[in-house]
Amino acid sequence: EVQLVESGGGLVQPGRSLRLSCVASGFAFKNYGMHWVRQAPGKGLEWVSGISWDSGNKAYGDSVKGRFTISRDNTESSLYLQMNSLRDEDTAVYYCAKDYGDWNYGLDYWGQGTPVTVSS
Amino acid sequence: DIQVTQSPSTLSASIGDSVTITCRASQYIGYWLAWYQQKPGKAPKILIYQASSLQTEVPSRFSGSGSGTEFSLTIDSLQPDDLATYYCLQYNSLLTFGGGTKVQIK
Repeated sequence: EVQLVESGGGLVQPGRSLRLSCVASGFAFKNYGMHWVRQAPGKGLEWVSGISWDSGNKAYGDSVKGRFTISRDNTESSLYLQMNSLRDEDTAVYYCAKDYGDWNYGLDYWGQGTPVTVSS
Repeated sequence: DIQVTQSPSTLSASIGDSVTITCRASQYIGYWLAWYQQKPGKAPKILIYQASSLQTEVPSRFSGSGSGTEFSLTIDSLQPDDLATYYCLQYNSLLTFGGGTKVQIK
């Protein structure tokens, strides 16, 4: 059974940093692309960032480009999102999601999400 | 960047009705579109990938169609369990979600 478990969310002040983690199990993590998707309170889904199976391709949504960094550790079956210079508008539930393939083939499995609140 | 316009934003229908949700991409995306169902407080769940392929264990009352720039999701014989918000996702060029359609039961 595919499982994705996010952690690292919480309350943080504007301008500060936070690092999210996602631990995967139930599939060959090293073979698949991975993504972060967020959902602000009462709003729709927004793709944040994605990384290919070998970390050779990384991409970011315009709203986080230059502030967020995605990375992965295939030996630990883990995905990360380093979030710097956080803003109020980054408040959201952050989901880790598995790609159908090695890079940008859509999303099949999702974690349950970790909430991030940016507020002073 | 590819934009995706989803309509309607809200839909009210009766149990047993057939309902259709549409997504329009701002440029050609082939068949690279998926549909998701999200219930309150839960993570999204994949229903359809590659425009019309039904994900394993998804009920056959869900179907997808379309290609190029115009796509649709149809739910035949709406059930109470289908109360949810539905999103499309284009993955031809990075990823872009539609704005969502909230399905309400009359």
